[in-house]
Amino acid sequence: DAGITQSPRYKITETGRQVTLMCHQTWSHSYMFWYRQDLGHGLRLIYYSAAADITDKGEVPDGYVVSRSKTENFPLTLESATRSQTSVYFCASSLQGGGDYGYTFGSGTRLTVV
Amino acid sequence: SQQGEEDPQALSIQEGENATMNCSYKTSINNLQWYRQNSGRGLVHLILIRSNEREKHSGRLRVTLDTSKKSSSLLITASRAADTASYFCATDPTGGGNKLTFGTGTQLKVEL
Repeated sequence: DAGITQSPRYKITETGRQVTLMCHQTWSHSYMFWYRQDLGHGLRLIYYSAAADITDKGEVPDGYVVSRSKTENFPLTLESATRSQTSVYFCASSLQGGGDYGYTFGSGTRLTVV
Repeated sequence: SQQGEEDPQALSIQEGENATMNCSYKTSINNLQWYRQNSGRGLVHLILIRSNEREKHSGRLRVTLDTSKKSSSLLITASRAADTASYFCATDPTGGGNKLTFGTGTQLKVEL
């Protein structure tokens, strides 16, 4: 969807390195989310944000850090990458949370930790 | 843990046939949503059904919801090759803090 962009599209990094995945949305949606997608697990919520400067943990937050200083940006940082963090990461946004509005997803970042 | 579980995990049909996917969930919900994911792409929202609704239509899509059985089904009529994708149900749990929980998905293959 053109309204939400993720970068980079692909990333290879080494174990122990810090890496930041970027997410930018132009919809002025209040809510933003980070999910990871792994075979057999579907999508699992890492962190979410209800508004600028408001963030909260999801199901699998360990090893990740987020910030949201501006409504349109929601970067996800892996502080010290591990092989278990090899995954496809999706950012999503929504006018509300789960509510009456669906989520708009980015195209994903495929991260490989070697 | 997953709130929704789709069944079957994989489905292969011929073009023109109908495809039915099922989703079961564990707790009470505000609404249930279905998404499609084409290979290598992000998820796309298809349809939302609220907990007080039993059936909803959108084009070739028909969704049903049975809150007593905690289950939903997605029917795609007259399937096309372009419908080949993974389909996920997502639930907005009551008191769940306004965030969706996704199932593990059904892989649909529509063959010519």
